[in-house]
Amino acid sequence: DTAVSQTPKYLVTQMGNDKSIKCEQNLGHDTMYWYKQDSKKFLKIMFSYNNKELIINETVPNRFSPKSPDKAHLNLHINSLELGDSAVYFCASSQDGRLGQELFFGEGSRLTVL
Amino acid sequence: SQQGEEDPQALSIQEGENATMNCSYKTSINNLQWYRQNSGRGLVHLILIRSNEREKHSGRLRVTLDTSKKSSSLLITASRAADTASYFCATVLHGSGNTGKLIFGQGTTLQVKP
Repeated sequence: DTAVSQTPKYLVTQMGNDKSIKCEQNLGHDTMYWYKQDSKKFLKIMFSYNNKELIINETVPNRFSPKSPDKAHLNLHINSLELGDSAVYFCASSQDGRLGQELFFGEGSRLTVL
Repeated sequence: SQQGEEDPQALSIQEGENATMNCSYKTSINNLQWYRQNSGRGLVHLILIRSNEREKHSGRLRVTLDTSKKSSSLLITASRAADTASYFCATVLHGSGNTGKLIFGQGTTLQVKP
């Protein structure tokens, strides 16, 4: 069983569209994250939820809206997609993110905006 | 602003040689972590070293931490072709409150030639 799974793996869409990426972890962790990795491999944190509560909300356009229905799931919805949103989006989880513990990453969702 | 910076950005060695990657950071940390990312895959946690530790070993990996110089190094001994990947350091800032935010550097791309 995959510990942190995210879907879809690839997403190609037109500018202006709305899309969602889903993430699920079966590790029983309390904290989940979304990271964005650009073409230069720079990895930047976007959001973090601890037990469904938003604890990290970096400077991200409000077109990006995370939702955590329960502590095992964290979804990312993106409205009005722009070219600059093209990147690989990684979901991750940790036992208790507040303690700065190791992260377990999903395999990534590569988003291409045309 | 970016917290960790890896050096070198790219490293190419022959199988069997040792590989050393360095990471420098700017502000006080709680811990420093190293991750590996194979091409097209998610990041995998390798090792965590706390701010009060100076050296840690895990198999062929050796990590050092010098808080006075705000730097860390990752040594991979007797490298193998399968070690080919990007390696990232990540830091948890001291006093990051209850967020435990992990900030990644830009990574070192290691190529091990058979």
